[in-house]
Amino acid sequence: DIVMTQSPDSLAVSLGETATINCKSSQRVVYGSTTENFLGWYQQKPGQPPKLLFYWASTRESGVPDRFSASGAGTDFTLTISSLQAEDVAIYYCQQYYNTPYTFGQGTKLEIK
Amino acid sequence: QVHLVESGGGVVQPGGSLRLSCAASGFPFSDFGMFWVRQAPGKGLEWMTFIRFDGSFEDYADAVKGRFTVTRDNSKNTLYLHMKSLGAEDTAVYYCARCLDGKSGYGSTPFDHWGQGILVTVST
Repeated sequence: DIVMTQSPDSLAVSLGETATINCKSSQRVVYGSTTENFLGWYQQKPGQPPKLLFYWASTRESGVPDRFSASGAGTDFTLTISSLQAEDVAIYYCQQYYNTPYTFGQGTKLEIK
Repeated sequence: QVHLVESGGGVVQPGGSLRLSCAASGFPFSDFGMFWVRQAPGKGLEWMTFIRFDGSFEDYADAVKGRFTVTRDNSKNTLYLHMKSLGAEDTAVYYCARCLDGKSGYGSTPFDHWGQGILVTVST
C-alpha cells in the first residue's frame, strides 16, 4: 500500500497569513514519462463531508478560491493557503488515486492563531 | 446539481449485516463510477470500494474484502453497500462519492462529489 504522510499534524496560522501543508507519498504516484501525478487534496470542515480542492496535484477544482494553491510531483506535494480566512478552518487531507487501496494522509488540522 | 444521499445506517450487533444505499441525482448516474469511503469517529478517511459505471468491475480494500459487496442499480440511480460479519472496527460514517472521471475503468480518479455520510455503529 502507498503510505501518505502529511506534515504537520496541526498548525495554527493568523488571519491573513499563509498556511503550508506538506504531503509525502511512500512511492511515486505518476506513471512513467507522464506528468500527471495521481494526487488530490480535500478539505473537511466539522460535520461535513470532504470537499475536493485539487486533483492531478495542482488542478484547482471549480469554485475553489485562488488563495488556495497546490504543487508538487513524484512523492512530494504541497498545499498552500494564502490570506487565511476564518472559513478555512478545517482538516486537510491529501490522497493518492494511483493504486488501490486509494490512501489518504492522516490529515492536517488547520486552526486560527 | 449533483446530490448524493446515503441511507440505511444505524446500530447493528457484532456479526450482523446491514445494507447502505446511496441515492444519486443531478447527473447521469449510469455514466459514473462510484466509491464508498468511511471515517471512524475522530479518525481519517479510508477508501472501501469502487464500482465501475456499468457495474462490470469492483475493487475492495483488504479490510472489507469478502465481507462487503458493492452493487448498483442504474435504473434506480442507486448505489449499495452490502455489509456482513460486522465488527466494532467497522463503526464509522460511511460516505458514497462520485468519480471525477465517470468512465474511469478502475477508479484511478479523484472523488469529486460526496454524500453527507451515514453513521454505522456496531455495538451490543
